[in-house]
Amino acid sequence: GQNIDQPTEMTATEGAIVQINCTYQTSGFNGLFWYQQHAGEAPTFLSYNVLDGLEEKGRFSSFLSRSKGYSYLLLKELQMKDSASYLCAAYSGAGSYQLTFGKGTKLSVIP
Amino acid sequence: DGGITQSPKYLFRKEGQNVTLSCEQNLNHDAMYWYRQDPGQGLRLIYYSQIVNDFQKGDIAEGYSVSREKKESFPLTVTSAQKNPTAFYLCASSILRSQTGDNEQFFGPGTRLTVL
Repeated sequence: GQNIDQPTEMTATEGAIVQINCTYQTSGFNGLFWYQQHAGEAPTFLSYNVLDGLEEKGRFSSFLSRSKGYSYLLLKELQMKDSASYLCAAYSGAGSYQLTFGKGTKLSVIP
Repeated sequence: DGGITQSPKYLFRKEGQNVTLSCEQNLNHDAMYWYRQDPGQGLRLIYYSQIVNDFQKGDIAEGYSVSREKKESFPLTVTSAQKNPTAFYLCASSILRSQTGDNEQFFGPGTRLTVL
């Protein structure tokens, strides 16, 4: 079966750093996606981790530990526009090419 | 510009009526997907297709049907058998690569269906 867990809501202050955690239990795991979704809009791609370690892209970084079934998304220098839901998704590439999504973490950035 | 289009953005239907949501992509992607999103919930896979004239059920296919007659198009029909059809529906597409390929899914703008 597939199971993805992430916190439901988080609040952080503008200019601060926030870490959004994701744990997963999936069969045929091949990689971990992070998407950003503003209310009422489509998800947009942020990052994809295949190997263990940290991948940095500007203000956003994503970490993966395959042995622990754990990932996190790190957002630095928070801006008000970062208020959104952040979706963690596990990728199963073994013939199905499916993504299993977590329920998303709603991040509120306050002044 | 390349992308995925879904229409309409908002759709209202009476209970008991079938309704078809359109999804078109000009990204030349082989794979297409339909997801449903409810408030406070993650995306749940309804159907997906990796090639023309072939599609597979996802986790919540009951009450839905799809077709893939063309590579660019993957319409979803919400039938009267779907007990709770009011939701936000998202279509996505991707290329097919090796197991570790960076084949991100690109999403359309979504259709919010309300059944009265």
